[in-house]
Amino acid sequence: AQSVAQPEDQVNVAEGNPLTVKCTYSVSGNPYLFWYVQYPNRGLQFLLKYITGDNLVKGSYGFEAEFNKSQTSFHLKKPSALVSDSALYFCAVRALTGNAGNMLTFGGGTRLMVKP
Amino acid sequence: NAGVTQTPKFRVLKTGQSMTLLCAQDMNHEYMYWYRQDPGMGLRLIHYSVGEGTTAKGEVPDGYNVSRLKKQNFLLGLESAAPSQTSVYFCASSRSAGGGEQFFGPGTRLTVL
Repeated sequence: AQSVAQPEDQVNVAEGNPLTVKCTYSVSGNPYLFWYVQYPNRGLQFLLKYITGDNLVKGSYGFEAEFNKSQTSFHLKKPSALVSDSALYFCAVRALTGNAGNMLTFGGGTRLMVKP
Repeated sequence: NAGVTQTPKFRVLKTGQSMTLLCAQDMNHEYMYWYRQDPGMGLRLIHYSVGEGTTAKGEVPDGYNVSRLKKQNFLLGLESAAPSQTSVYFCASSRSAGGGEQFFGPGTRLTVL
């Protein structure tokens, strides 16, 4: 079975400082990895994904994520946080093969609070 | 281009009542999904469809049924609502099941008393 862990319920950072939101995963074989963001009372919005290739993936709104196969991690990063980045962030994984190939498994979410 | 829309936005049911949630997408996507979101648990897949006329169970299918009679619509039914089904329900669609991202609707907040 595939699973995703987001060890921090909340991350607090000051505006202008770098931010990291952590994600580790477990899956059989190679993974597809995703980050989504959810603003209050809205659906999830796609930020970025890792399929194959370069371990550093760049996405929307200046976010990037680093795939680390040996540590089974896919941490979300941004060099300089904005107050408007405050939201709920979800990491998700899908196995490339097997019966779970159609299923996306989400982590529990991490609330990012950026203070002025 | 409306993307993914969900009807209704809010609903309050009494235990034992039934209802249907409607999801519609205008992106000609093959794959559609129903999730529920509960605090601290992320999103959990209820049912999904890989094309018109097909459905499959997800992680938490019990108490729900679905139908995909038309490619653009995916219906989620609760035959006999229970308080444990109080949640926010999200529909999503994607072009494929591979590396393609999913596009989400705005959600339906359901309360079962």
